[in-house]
Amino acid sequence: GAVVSQHPSRVICKSGTSVKIECRSLDFQATTMFWYRQFPKQSLMLMATSNEGSKATYEQGVEKDKFLINHASLTLSTLTVTSAHPEDSSFYICSAGYRVGFGQGTRLTVV
Amino acid sequence: QQQVKQSPQSLIVQKGGISIINCAYENTAFDYFPWYQQFPGKGPALLIAIRPDVSEKKEGRFTISFNKSAKQFSLHIMDSQPGDSATYFCAASLSGSARQLTFGSGTQLTVLP
Repeated sequence: GAVVSQHPSRVICKSGTSVKIECRSLDFQATTMFWYRQFPKQSLMLMATSNEGSKATYEQGVEKDKFLINHASLTLSTLTVTSAHPEDSSFYICSAGYRVGFGQGTRLTVV
Repeated sequence: QQQVKQSPQSLIVQKGGISIINCAYENTAFDYFPWYQQFPGKGPALLIAIRPDVSEKKEGRFTISFNKSAKQFSLHIMDSQPGDSATYFCAASLSGSARQLTFGSGTQLTVLP
């Protein structure tokens, strides 16, 4: 079946630096990908919808300048957390839609 | 209203017992209702899903019961095993090309050996 691969699985960065998370569709072309954020013991909250070749659509309350999304090809979407701060520490998960499923997730820790 | 309400928040079941998790939704336009299993540090994995034209769907030990008039659906895990201990999320989706999901709040299931 279709697979979504997310990398890295874990990342620790210093406050003020930027971190890039990649989400790849391995055997299909994904015109749309979704980025979710999950805090401990909480549900998945949609952050943004990534559209190939166009600007991402951000959910209310999500800072588009802080969470930069690029979907330059049909197999790769990236989420960059810019000027990360400890409150950005969370579990970030991508998905290419319900038929495909989710990536493995990225645990971001900002110290 | 896009919300999906899930209960209970946590559930403890003895090995071999039946685990039941319930969800309710408001938006009658939802037309796809999946359940996901998530282990710590991993992304959610699709367990089973149902569409509103079906009242029940069974796959192995997992069954979804769907009540369209009550706008409720539930997950039943038969013969629960310690390996089933995980967090379970219900979700709902509107029709569309990529199907954005709205998730329930999650249920932490613990199956005691």
